[in-house]
Amino acid sequence: GENVEQHPSTLSVQEGDSAVIKCTYSDSASNYFPWYKQELGKRPQLIIDIRSNVGEKKDQRIAVTLNKTAKHFSLHITETQPEDSAVYFCAPYRAGRGSTLGRLYFGRGTQLTVWP
Amino acid sequence: NAGVTQTPKFRVLKTGQSMTLLCAQDMNHEYMYWYRQDPGMGLRLIHYSVGEGTTAKGEVPDGYNVSRLKKQNFLLGLESAAPSQTSVYFCASSYPRTSGRARETQYFGPGTRLLVL
Repeated sequence: GENVEQHPSTLSVQEGDSAVIKCTYSDSASNYFPWYKQELGKRPQLIIDIRSNVGEKKDQRIAVTLNKTAKHFSLHITETQPEDSAVYFCAPYRAGRGSTLGRLYFGRGTQLTVWP
Repeated sequence: NAGVTQTPKFRVLKTGQSMTLLCAQDMNHEYMYWYRQDPGMGLRLIHYSVGEGTTAKGEVPDGYNVSRLKKQNFLLGLESAAPSQTSVYFCASSYPRTSGRARETQYFGPGTRLLVL
């Protein structure tokens, strides 16, 4: 199956600084790359995603960049705010093969703490 | 439109007891999934379903069974609970076939916290 690694596992930044989380994957068949945010005690929620035919996507303060050749994609958060504090998961999607359903493979998460 | 809901929110079981977790979605999604989340492990797929009456194993299926008798419901059963099944369980759904939206985007329920003593 897909081997997914996320770095760093924890990240502390000062309010207003930028944060970058990197996700590497192993399967070249992966073709959809989302990032989920999970606040303490809450459900994971999709915050941004990118498809394999696009290199970068932005949505206000967050962006995702993809390097398919190197098999990694990154989450960028600018002008961080205390409410950005959460666990962030990457979850590359590997397309189905034959009778196998396509599915997400979750990284272990990055705990981001933004200090005021 | 409630999205994805899960019942119960929290449960304590003794080793050997059985229970069923219920997931319901009102988005007409074709696919449904059960994950477990343990500290430092991300979300691991237990079982999934691509449609009414069909289920398949994920990466950690042992000790669990599932059923999808109705399109909107996906049940996760523990026949004989073990302490190793203490976890937070999330249900997710995806793929509203008739809307043309992507099948990859998954929407999660609020989770069920299970403690097995």
